[in-house]
Amino acid sequence: DGGITQSPKYLFRKEGQNVTLSCEQNLNHDAMYWYRQDPGQGLRLIYYSQIVNDFQKGDIAEGYSVSREKKESFPLTVTSAQKNPTAFYLCASSIIPPGGYTFGSGTRLTVV
Amino acid sequence: DAKTTQPNSMESNEEEPVHLPCNHSTISGTDYIHWYRQLPSQGPEYVIHGLTSNVNNRMASLAIAEDRKSSTLILHRATLRDAAVYYCILGHGSGNTGKLIFGQGTTLQVKP
Repeated sequence: DGGITQSPKYLFRKEGQNVTLSCEQNLNHDAMYWYRQDPGQGLRLIYYSQIVNDFQKGDIAEGYSVSREKKESFPLTVTSAQKNPTAFYLCASSIIPPGGYTFGSGTRLTVV
Repeated sequence: DAKTTQPNSMESNEEEPVHLPCNHSTISGTDYIHWYRQLPSQGPEYVIHGLTSNVNNRMASLAIAEDRKSSTLILHRATLRDAAVYYCILGHGSGNTGKLIFGQGTTLQVKP
């Protein structure tokens, strides 16, 4: 079955450490996105990519980095520069607009 | 980016129709209207999207005002599984990034 997979589901890290969240899709979608969600809030866009080897900053890119070396993969690194990294992170993919998005099941990152 | 306005919360009885409103007075001519819903600790799920004409699918119907400044998501018979946060989003249309900007959404409670 086609879908989008995020791993791990739960992640704990010590403050000051970088951490990389995985996102893989087998839907042959061109575009991929990373969102962050804080408790009781909507989703905020971190980075997005429409094509391999190209990506753009979203609204809250500071403290995050991404890569898009393969169409299927769009990993997100939360760096030590991100001041409040504890959040629920969601990856999504879509065909080029205006197609619907398919979301992963999310990674809950807790930094202690 | 054009924004949407939704009520914070709504209640419905099981097996009754639900009309979820959304205002988007600054919508541009190429913006599609998307609806997603999200259950707790899960990624959002695509519900429906449209441009100008009303749309129907197996999950819901989307009624779009003639001036496109508002729309209504219609769940024809609410079930307990429809209890979720519903997001009305303007997706940038042709020729651009396709990124979706999420607002706060409407929390729908369904009473048995």
